[in-house]
Amino acid sequence: NAGVTQTPKFQVLKTGQSMTLQCAQDMNHEYMSWYRQDPGMGLRLIHYSVGAGITDQGEVPNGYNVSRSTTEDFPLRLLSAAPSQTSVYFCASSLGQGVSGANVLTFGAGSRLTVL
Amino acid sequence: AQSVTQLDSQVPVFEEAPVELRCNYSSSVSVYLFWYVQYPNQGLQLLLKYLSGSTLVKGINGFEAEFNKSQTSFHLRKPSVHISDTAEYFCAVSGDYKLSFGAGTTVTVRA
Repeated sequence: NAGVTQTPKFQVLKTGQSMTLQCAQDMNHEYMSWYRQDPGMGLRLIHYSVGAGITDQGEVPNGYNVSRSTTEDFPLRLLSAAPSQTSVYFCASSLGQGVSGANVLTFGAGSRLTVL
Repeated sequence: AQSVTQLDSQVPVFEEAPVELRCNYSSSVSVYLFWYVQYPNQGLQLLLKYLSGSTLVKGINGFEAEFNKSQTSFHLRKPSVHISDTAEYFCAVSGDYKLSFGAGTTVTVRA
């Protein structure tokens, strides 16, 4: 199994450009999420989805959009890139987060984005 | 809502010495606690998790952690580290559908 696949691995954008970070998982996981990682701040949740057609905001959603049309895919869209969005982005999935939160996240390898 | 505080941002340690990484959490609901490891230029991998039951949890690569509810802590330990343990370690707490991470502790193991 491939697990969680993120593309692209690296991307450089100019301020104001838009782009989509792709995330796909082949484990039939219900729960998918996007995090950004910045030095000294750990990982912060951007958006998450508990199933196809259902998405919700995390801690830092501004400037990002998501959709979940299929179980497998959870793309993250930057509408108008800003230098503050320079970061490493991780997609993660689990069988189901649920109230118990007992399911473990499987992470992708990350996408490093630089906005000039 | 829940939050996590990792008390050390950098921990240098000599090979074969013990190491402890400290993690405190706060939450208004029952929580589940995790430690993840990130090796250079990689994604995160699960080291261990506490869901319920015994407060001493054993994970991969010889790591263990102890859940202390009264002190709201979940410290990670390893009795003897290797060069290959050089990595960044994240404590995380799960509740209310979300997983919240600490800022991370960078462990550098020196020969």
